[in-house]
Amino acid sequence: EPEVTQTPSHQVTQMGQEVILRCVPISNHLYFYWYRQILGQKVEFLVSFYNNEISEKSEIFDDQFSVERPDGSNFTLKIRSTKLEDSAMYFCASSGDRGMNTEAFFGQGTRLTVV
Amino acid sequence: GNSVTQMEGPVTLSEEAFLTINCTYTATGYPSLFWYVQYPGEGLQLLLKATKADDKGSNKGFEATYRKETTSFHLEKGSVQVSDSAVYFCALSDINTGNQFYFGTGTSLTVIP
Repeated sequence: EPEVTQTPSHQVTQMGQEVILRCVPISNHLYFYWYRQILGQKVEFLVSFYNNEISEKSEIFDDQFSVERPDGSNFTLKIRSTKLEDSAMYFCASSGDRGMNTEAFFGQGTRLTVV
Repeated sequence: GNSVTQMEGPVTLSEEAFLTINCTYTATGYPSLFWYVQYPGEGLQLLLKATKADDKGSNKGFEATYRKETTSFHLEKGSVQVSDSAVYFCALSDINTGNQFYFGTGTSLTVIP
């Protein structure tokens, strides 16, 4: 069964460092998403991406964040200068279309710890 | 705006007990509703969904009915098993807001033999 894969599963980084979280969406999907979950809080939407550009983003997704689909298979989230409050589980998701029946397929998540 | 509120956990049940996890939502449009499950060490997996009022989603013995009048989508299972131990997330998706998902906080369920 096709699945979304994320690497690494756990990343520890020092405050102020850049970090890149990687995702391989399902191969024929067109819409890509990043979500995050701070421990004990809700899963929050960060950004959606379609046709090689950002289609929506939340207020969380500020200038420190960027996304890229560098090679047609990977979908990355970059945090330019990490802060302690960026520590969270980051989920990548993909879907084949947008509509009422659309299901998003999620990866297993990357736990980012900023120290 | 759109939001989801779900029952606080953790929930601990004995095997074969009846499960209810409450979920209510607010939405500006006419959303689709979902339950996702996260087993230990794994990603979010779709458990069931419903796209219009009075629809019932069901899978693996779990059920939830889209109730527009009470803006609810409560998850139920008649007889839980140890293998159902996981975190359950209620979510909505609204095509009018780009199909992004709005999640509840998640409810951790532990089923003991």
